[in-house]
Amino acid sequence: GENVEQHPSTLSVQEGDSAVIKCTYSDSASNYFPWYKQELGKGPQLIIDIRSNVGEKKDQRIAVTLNKTAKHFSLHITETQPEDSAVYFCAASNAFTGGGNKLTFGTGTQLKVEL
Amino acid sequence: DGGITQSPKYLFRKEGQNVTLSCEQNLNHDAMYWYRQDPGQGLRLIYYSQIVNDFQKGDIAEGYSVSREKKESFPLTVTSAQKNPTAFYLCASSSPGDDEQYFGPGTRLTVT
Repeated sequence: GENVEQHPSTLSVQEGDSAVIKCTYSDSASNYFPWYKQELGKGPQLIIDIRSNVGEKKDQRIAVTLNKTAKHFSLHITETQPEDSAVYFCAASNAFTGGGNKLTFGTGTQLKVEL
Repeated sequence: DGGITQSPKYLFRKEGQNVTLSCEQNLNHDAMYWYRQDPGQGLRLIYYSQIVNDFQKGDIAEGYSVSREKKESFPLTVTSAQKNPTAFYLCASSSPGDDEQYFGPGTRLTVT
């Protein structure tokens, strides 16, 4: 089955700096790669996603890159703000026959943005 | 106001008791999922359902059971057979042709 590894497990940056979180996956059939942000005691919220036919996607201060050959993808947050502090999860997805998809998650990165 | 609701937010049970966690969605999504989250770990799939009256085991289904009698509802029962039931449980749903899964706020279950 799919295996997703995520690094680093904790990341501390100064406000205004950039943050980069990296993930690798094992199943070349995975075709959808979402990133979720989870605040303490809440459910994860999708912040950006990328499909396997695209190499890069950007949404304001957030960008994701995908290297299918190397099977890795990364989240880039620029101009970090204190409200970016949260746990970030990457995931790799394979579609189920009949609808729906299986998300395999990384172990999460605790991002702390310091003033 | 569309979304996924889970209740209760916190749940406490004694060891040996079965407990049912509620998940309801009004997004008209066909697929629903249950995940378990433990400290410092990613989410792991317990069960999923692609359509009413059908569900499949995920990666860690032992000690859990589900039902899908209505499109809107996908309750999860944590049975006494689950050896380490204390965890944060998350429900999600998705629509056909859309890979994005929408998550509920979660239920934190503590078994002592």
